[in-house]
Amino acid sequence: DTGVSQDPRHKITKRGQNVTFRCDPISEHNRLYWYRQTLGQGPEFLTYFQNEAQLEKSRLLSDRFSAERPKGSFSTLEIQRTEQGDSAMYLCASSPLGQGLNTEAFFGQGTRLTVV
Amino acid sequence: GNSVTQMEGPVTLSEEAFLTINCTYTATGYPSLFWYVQYPGEGLQLLLKATKADDKGSNKGFEATYRKETTSFHLEKGSVQVSDSAVYFCALRRPIYNQGGKLIFGQGTELSVKP
Repeated sequence: DTGVSQDPRHKITKRGQNVTFRCDPISEHNRLYWYRQTLGQGPEFLTYFQNEAQLEKSRLLSDRFSAERPKGSFSTLEIQRTEQGDSAMYLCASSPLGQGLNTEAFFGQGTRLTVV
Repeated sequence: GNSVTQMEGPVTLSEEAFLTINCTYTATGYPSLFWYVQYPGEGLQLLLKATKADDKGSNKGFEATYRKETTSFHLEKGSVQVSDSAVYFCALRRPIYNQGGKLIFGQGTELSVKP
């Protein structure tokens, strides 16, 4: 297993365009999380899935953002009508199901979005 | 609400110096606490963790002790190396059954170690 994979690594888009990012979690990890990290800040939670169910969305996730995990494996995060304020690193993480000690999240390398 | 506060960076040290990065948290209940590290151009990696009061997490010479009385989880290393240069994030996690295991991060502390 190669860990959490995100694609693309970098995306430059013009304001107003739509973009879609993909995350492939570690196999058999039931939980999948999306975070956003702006320059000089720590990651901020956006949303998470348990299998295919989206169980929580942050208020940061405006109606221009939508995330899916249709088969409980990979996930996509779409941003419609991008704005310059959407420029950030988008991080995906996955973790196994359970409440025990070894349920920490593993992060991908992120997708850096630049809106020009 | 839940929050994490870290000392501001950047922190610049000479090789073999002692490192402390302060982290304090606000949370109800009994969160788990983590330190993640982000090397240049890479994703976040778990450095160490502690799941209950007085636990000490350790890895790669780094240590942090979960202090409930002071709501702190300070990161320490006795002798830093140039290869430790990175951004360090303190984070808390509410119990999995509460809020699904999402992490709340501090703002990060950049460490630069000079030879």
